[in-house]
Amino acid sequence: AQSVAQPEDQVNVAEGNPLTVKCTYSVSGNPYLFWYVQYPNRGLQFLLKYITGDNLVKGSYGFEAEFNKSQTSFHLKKPSALVSDSALYFCAVSRGYSTLTFGKGTMLLVSP
Amino acid sequence: DTEVTQTPKHLVMGMTNKKSLKCEQHMGHRAMYWYKQKAKKPPELMFVYSYEKLSINESVPSRFSPECPNSSLLNLHLHALQPEDSALYLCASSQLDPKTQYFGPGTRLLVL
Repeated sequence: AQSVAQPEDQVNVAEGNPLTVKCTYSVSGNPYLFWYVQYPNRGLQFLLKYITGDNLVKGSYGFEAEFNKSQTSFHLKKPSALVSDSALYFCAVSRGYSTLTFGKGTMLLVSP
Repeated sequence: DTEVTQTPKHLVMGMTNKKSLKCEQHMGHRAMYWYKQKAKKPPELMFVYSYEKLSINESVPSRFSPECPNSSLLNLHLHALQPEDSALYLCASSQLDPKTQYFGPGTRLLVL
């Protein structure tokens, strides 16, 4: 079985400050890890993924994530938050041919 | 181009109606998915098609009937729905592995 935990329902950050959205996972074997973002009344947009290789993954809109195998984490980060980054963020995991398992989601609110 | 299109954007139907949702992708992806998403919750997998054959049905009630006419199209036929079926219905597509799924904008369904 595979699972994802996003421990924070909501993250609040001021514009210009760094942001972190946390994700931990549980899967047997090597994981495929993903971050998606969902703006209100929209579908999910793919941000970035970790499959193998460099533990620091860079994605769209200035986001990056660090894969930490020992801590089974894949936290999403951005050095300087924008108000337009406010949205619902989902972490997801799969392994090989398995389907995606999503976390419950974290609402990011960036204040001006 | 990583676009998945869905029609209609919004749909209101009565419990005795029959309607269909349509999804299209031209990325050459051989896996297509239907998800149901309630507000501020993660998407719930309903069906998976691989090479135009149904490979996963997540115990979805028979009032939802998927169809994959060709490798680019995915339909979801709706009949005798219940008010609790009101949700955002998302379509996604991907290569078979690794599973970066690309999502459409969704159809917001209201069942009266």
